[in-house]
Amino acid sequence: AQSVTQLDSHVSVSEGTPVLLRCNYSSSYSPSLFWYVQHPNKGLQLLLKYTSAATLVKGINGFEAEFKKSETSFHLTKPSAHMSDAAEYFCVVSRVTGGGNKLTFGTGTQLKVEL
Amino acid sequence: DAGVIQSPRHEVTEMGQEVTLRCKPISGHNSLFWYRQTMMRGLELLIYFNNNVPIDDSGMPEDRFSAKMPNASFSTLKIQPSEPRDSAVYFCASSWDTEAFFGQGTRLTVV
Repeated sequence: AQSVTQLDSHVSVSEGTPVLLRCNYSSSYSPSLFWYVQHPNKGLQLLLKYTSAATLVKGINGFEAEFKKSETSFHLTKPSAHMSDAAEYFCVVSRVTGGGNKLTFGTGTQLKVEL
Repeated sequence: DAGVIQSPRHEVTEMGQEVTLRCKPISGHNSLFWYRQTMMRGLELLIYFNNNVPIDDSGMPEDRFSAKMPNASFSTLKIQPSEPRDSAVYFCASSWDTEAFFGQGTRLTVV
């Protein structure tokens, strides 16, 4: 079984300050982990992915995430928030089995960026 | 590749009518997913296919919902009869390995 917990449903930051969106996962196997972003009235776009290579993963738009097995975490960070980062962010755990690709989504974190 | 293509982008229908949502996955992908997104329940997995075979349909809310994948390049999600509570954005996604690619979604409004 696998699950994802996004610890904050809403995060608010000021423009230019760091962003931290928290995600913890549970998986019986070595997972693949992803962060997706959804801007208002848009589809989901992949930000970054971890697939058992380097534990620090760099994504688009300056976002990074670090896979910490000991803490079962995959938190998303960005050094300096921009107004355009305001969106909903989803942490996802994935496992490929004989039955295909099993994706499990977190409940999402709404990021608000203020001037 | 053009990505995952969903049609229509917007659908407004009257309660009781049949609605069919369509999805063309990325060529070569072997897994296809249908999700529903609402403000109340967030993103819910309805059903997913692997190699055109339904693997898990436990998220399909009722018998009014059905999904088919007749071949590797096409899938449909049908609601019959539709109800106002079915109003949501429906996303289709496809994958080959672990990464899923999403379509732009179909915004369904049932009045």
